[in-house]
Amino acid sequence: AQKITQTQPGMFVQEKEAVTLDCTYDTSDQSYGLFWYKQPSSGEMIFLIYQGSYDEQNATEGRYSLNFQKARKSANLVISASQLGDSAMYFCAMFPSRGYNKLIFGAGTRLAVHP
Amino acid sequence: EPEVTQTPSHQVTQMGQEVILRCVPISNHLYFYWYRQILGQKVEFLVSFYNNEISEKSEIFDDQFSVERPDGSNFTLKIRSTKLEDSAMYFCASRDRTTSTGELFFGEGSRLTVL
Repeated sequence: AQKITQTQPGMFVQEKEAVTLDCTYDTSDQSYGLFWYKQPSSGEMIFLIYQGSYDEQNATEGRYSLNFQKARKSANLVISASQLGDSAMYFCAMFPSRGYNKLIFGAGTRLAVHP
Repeated sequence: EPEVTQTPSHQVTQMGQEVILRCVPISNHLYFYWYRQILGQKVEFLVSFYNNEISEKSEIFDDQFSVERPDGSNFTLKIRSTKLEDSAMYFCASRDRTTSTGELFFGEGSRLTVL
């Protein structure tokens, strides 16, 4: 069964430090897409970063990078130089196949950035 | 920047009443989705819609739910007879099939409270 696991219900980080949010996935598909979304307290879902299963380079978007380890089936999000505005819920998600019919979400990690 | 818009932002209804949640996807997008998030829980897939028909639906999407694209711009989710457990945030999302990342653009959500 396709599944996303985020084992950290909550994380704390000091402002300006880097933090890694863990994500592991389970799929038998060879082709899939991995995403991270940010959900602030206002509730909207904000796209952060994408990694395709065939992409050899780790994805980066500004302060966000995705540490993709295919053999371990992990897709950890690294946020560098944390800011107070990074405090939010973070969801890892997966499209299990190129059909893009269904994005599967993990349970989320709540990140708190302290000054 | 184009965005997915949802109305209403919050609706309160009595159990057993019909509710229609409305979404305007990004204009050139072809794939449409509804997700829901019960407070404090993970985001759950409800249904995907392409070419004027449902392409996939979850077990949550039973006979009480329906989707429709009544014109060229709106995408609606109808709940025929609401139950207390339907209380959740409902997210609409859309995707342009030519987008290589397969990114889903989410609306800001409609919060449904069933009393």
